[in-house]
Amino acid sequence: KNEVEQSPQNLTAQEGEFITINCSYSVGISALHWLQQHPGGGIVSLFMLSSGKKKHGRLIATINIQEKHSSLHITASHPRDSAVYICAVRSNNYGQNFVFGPGTRLSVLP
Amino acid sequence: KAGVTQTPRYLIKTRGQQVTLSCSPISGHRSVSWYQQTPGQGLQFLFEYFSETQRNKGNFPGRFSGRQFSNSRSEMNVSTLELGDSALYLCASSLGQVVGTDTQYFGPGTRLTVL
Repeated sequence: KNEVEQSPQNLTAQEGEFITINCSYSVGISALHWLQQHPGGGIVSLFMLSSGKKKHGRLIATINIQEKHSSLHITASHPRDSAVYICAVRSNNYGQNFVFGPGTRLSVLP
Repeated sequence: KAGVTQTPRYLIKTRGQQVTLSCSPISGHRSVSWYQQTPGQGLQFLFEYFSETQRNKGNFPGRFSGRQFSNSRSEMNVSTLELGDSALYLCASSLGQVVGTDTQYFGPGTRLTVL
């Protein structure tokens, strides 16, 4: 079992839809990150969370430390949101490694 | 401020050769970390540096090594290249001492192809 899991693996949505991507982890963490990767490889950090909720524009990220679960929400989705979204955790175990989820590939259709 | 830069952007090598990749962090950032991304394994942590000290290393063979210089620039080296080393190699920089506890800024990556 992977230390960090994401669902769904792939997601297709219509422009304007509300989107949720989930991340669950099995290790103790110092922080959880949501990353966005566009075709071509460039990665942008969207959020870093250690508790609660953060909002930036149309993006909202939440984390529940007790349940070891985080969600990334995109409101009023747009085709430019099409990308791979990756959850990553700074683990307190395994020598303090940075562990990545497998990613969720999102396609938003116009 | 300029972002994280990586050189070269693309590289083609043959099996058995060795390669050195370079990463220049954002000015003022003292933490640099390296990652390998492949279609099969996804993103995997290679190593992290702070103030010229390797703080942690991922589960990779000893053929993978790195270092950080006094100006925070970092290099990673892969010796005796294997076909499976073909990947996108990403570096990221951050302000904090412990990678992953503050925002990481990623470079564009170096795409290595081993023939």
